[in-house]
Amino acid sequence: KNEVEQSPQNLTAQEGEFITINCSYSVGISALHWLQQHPGGGIVSLFMLSSGKKKHGRLIATINIQEKHSSLHITASHPRDSAVYICAVRSRDSNYQLIWGAGTKLIIKP
Amino acid sequence: NAGVTQTPKFQVLKTGQSMTLQCAQDMNHEYMSWYRQDPGMGLRLIHYSVGAGITDQGEVPNGYNVSRSTTEDFPLRLLSAAPSQTSVYFCARRTSWQDTEAFFGQGTRLTVV
Repeated sequence: KNEVEQSPQNLTAQEGEFITINCSYSVGISALHWLQQHPGGGIVSLFMLSSGKKKHGRLIATINIQEKHSSLHITASHPRDSAVYICAVRSRDSNYQLIWGAGTKLIIKP
Repeated sequence: NAGVTQTPKFQVLKTGQSMTLQCAQDMNHEYMSWYRQDPGMGLRLIHYSVGAGITDQGEVPNGYNVSRSTTEDFPLRLLSAAPSQTSVYFCARRTSWQDTEAFFGQGTRLTVV
């Protein structure tokens, strides 16, 4: 079983829909990281969080440490949000290395 | 490029050939790492370095060598390429090993035939 699981693997939605991507992990962590990978391949950081909630524009990330679960929400989705969204956790158990989810491929149709 | 420059962007190798993927950062950050990304899998750590002269193995180090003679550069060497090394490779930097936030290069798409 992977230590970081993302769901769904693939998500297609219409423009304007509210999007939720989930990340569950099984290790002790010091922080969780959401990243975005565009079709061109580049990876950019969206959020780092260790508790609570963070918001940036239309993106909201939440984390529940007790439940070992995080969600990434996108409000008023737009075709330019189409990308792969990746969850990574900083593990306390593995010398603070990053453990990566496999990613969620999001397609927003106009 | 998030302060990380990777070259080349694309490369095709024949089995048994060697090559070096270049990675340079201009932020004087201590921590650099190489990942490979394969379909349906998360990024996997190949090697990392916590500073000049210090390198260590990640999750999938076999078939790869690294060195860190300067803070700026962290090249990844494939000594004898194999088809199993066909992948997309990313170099990343972090301010220090304690930090989580990573800044990635644009990636190198390597095909070994």
